[in-house]
Amino acid sequence: TQLLEQSPQFLSIQEGENLTVYCNSSSVFSSLQWYRQEPGEGPVLLVTVVTGGEVKKLKRLTFQFGDARKDSSLHITAAQPGDTGLYLCAGGSGGSNYKLTFGKGTLLTVNP
Amino acid sequence: EAGVAQSPRYKIIEKRQSVAFWCNPISGHATLYWYQQILGQGPKLLIQFQNNGVVDDSQLPKDRFSAERLKGVDSTLKIQPAKLEDSAVYLCASSLGGSYTAIVGYTFGSGTRLTVV
Repeated sequence: TQLLEQSPQFLSIQEGENLTVYCNSSSVFSSLQWYRQEPGEGPVLLVTVVTGGEVKKLKRLTFQFGDARKDSSLHITAAQPGDTGLYLCAGGSGGSNYKLTFGKGTLLTVNP
Repeated sequence: EAGVAQSPRYKIIEKRQSVAFWCNPISGHATLYWYQQILGQGPKLLIQFQNNGVVDDSQLPKDRFSAERLKGVDSTLKIQPAKLEDSAVYLCASSLGGSYTAIVGYTFGSGTRLTVV
């Protein structure tokens, strides 16, 4: 069974602060995706990383895929209250029967 | 483009009762997934369909859970009889499948929140 460990599990910060959340596994994934989930809604895809060492930026969010494709990080610069939510990393496998294995998530609260 | 539709949004039942959830995926999406998300945890895959065939149901508690996807479109997930530990959000997701999913991911519905008392 492939497992994804996310840390920290909870994070509460003030508006304007920076933060990093981590996603680690002992397994290699063909791709890794980050989702954000707001209360009462399903997760929404933020980014997909595929190549080891890849870095992607999405406005104030920076995503990195580890060289060995086993770990990833999400860095948010100058967090805003609208960034509040549950951040989930998900590792992809299965080829033509592709499916995602999710971590437990990091619950981020950004206080005004 | 319409999203993934799920109903009901909320359901409260007593233990040992039965319950069914419905999902209508995005038109043209061949792959449909049911995930269980217990409070404080990430989603756990219950079953994956490719068109109307089951691809993976290894984590589905088959003594009480069943799912079907007739005609490769809508899907129903049933629990009978329900236990207290089945209290969770049941998420349905769809995708075009395969390598396409590896890039553009899933589209999730808003989920059904089940409370078993």
